[in-house]
Amino acid sequence: DGGITQSPKYLFRKEGQNVTLSCEQNLNHDAMYWYRQDPGQGLRLIYYSQIVNDFQKGDIAEGYSVSREKKESFPLTVTSAQKNPTAFYLCASRDRENTEAFFGQGTRLTVV
Amino acid sequence: DAKTTQPPSMDCAEGRAANLPCNHSTISGNEYVYWYRQIHSQGPQYIIHGLKNNETNEMASLIITEDRKSSTLILPHATLRDTAVYYCIVRVRGAGNMLTFGGGTRLMVKP
Repeated sequence: DGGITQSPKYLFRKEGQNVTLSCEQNLNHDAMYWYRQDPGQGLRLIYYSQIVNDFQKGDIAEGYSVSREKKESFPLTVTSAQKNPTAFYLCASRDRENTEAFFGQGTRLTVV
Repeated sequence: DAKTTQPPSMDCAEGRAANLPCNHSTISGNEYVYWYRQIHSQGPQYIIHGLKNNETNEMASLIITEDRKSSTLILPHATLRDTAVYYCIVRVRGAGNMLTFGGGTRLMVKP
């Protein structure tokens, strides 16, 4: 089945450790996005990428890094510089010309 | 992208129509209105979009005012499974630019 997959669903890390969240899509979509969601809040854009080897900062990029070496993959690294990393992280993709964005099921990161 | 304003929460009785409003008074002529919804702890799901004409699909209807400054998403016969946060977004179609979400409306469908 075509879709967008995030893994793992739940992730626990110790404070001060970097952690990488996976996002893979087999929809042949050009654009990919990372969002953060805190309890009771809307989605805030972290990074987005329109094509391979190119990405732009969103509204809350500090403490995060991304790469886009392959069209189907857009991993997000939460670094130790992120002050409050515990959150629900969502990845999305969309075709360059299409209007509809497809979302993964999210990764819930807890830093202890 | 134009800013949108939605009520933070709404209730609806099961089986009745749910009408979710969205104000987008600064929308420009080439910006579309999109609706997504997010069921608890899942990724958002696309519902419908439109430019200026009313639209209908198997999930919902979208009514856009003639001046395009506001719109209403209608779920004709709400079920308990429609309980979710509904997001209204306005943006230019196409192009992989930023896709920005606001706070949305938390719809609670009650038996």
